[in-house]
Amino acid sequence: KQEVTQIPAALSVPEGENLVLNCSFTDSAIYNLQWFRQDPGKGLTSLLLIQSSQREQTSGRLNASLDKSSGRSTLYIAASQPGDSATYLCAVITGGGNKLTFGTGTQLKVEL
Amino acid sequence: DTEVTQTPKHLVMGMTNKKSLKCEQHMGHRAMYWYKQKAKKPPELMFVYSYEKLSINESVPSRFSPECPNSSLLNLHLHALQPEDSALYLCASSPGRGTDTQYFGPGTRLTVL
Repeated sequence: KQEVTQIPAALSVPEGENLVLNCSFTDSAIYNLQWFRQDPGKGLTSLLLIQSSQREQTSGRLNASLDKSSGRSTLYIAASQPGDSATYLCAVITGGGNKLTFGTGTQLKVEL
Repeated sequence: DTEVTQTPKHLVMGMTNKKSLKCEQHMGHRAMYWYKQKAKKPPELMFVYSYEKLSINESVPSRFSPECPNSSLLNLHLHALQPEDSALYLCASSPGRGTDTQYFGPGTRLTVL
């Protein structure tokens, strides 16, 4: 059974800092990995999708990397802003597809 | 139209009530999903519809009954729920292949009294 863990569970940083969120998964036979953002009480917003054959994806200040063999992904956020405050979730698709397994989440707070 | 909509936003129901949650998308997606999310926990998959057929049921109790009347619409019928079923119910859709990006709606906040 696929298990996805995120470290740290919570993170508080001053505005402008660069930061890294970590995601690890136990079954390396994944189709892809997605990073999502969730604001309190809201739905999920897809940030980046990395296919299993890719090593990284970039969107604006966000860069996600994937090391499938070691079961790890990182989300790098450059020059953090208070508007980045949210919970960040990684999720993987394994097996027959269609089924996302989510990580435990990292709650990020960027302070002025 | 590039969004998934869900109604209602909030729902309060008693344990003997029957209610339904509605999800709609007009992106031409052929896979639709229901997830349940408890406070401070990640979403958990409940059901997957692929091309309007139920393809995954994650051993969800029968008091939750999904329905996919057409490719744009997904319902979740609720009956005889328990207080522990109170949660945020999220709907998502994807183009159709199992490895596609999933697009999520804003969710329905359900409270069972």
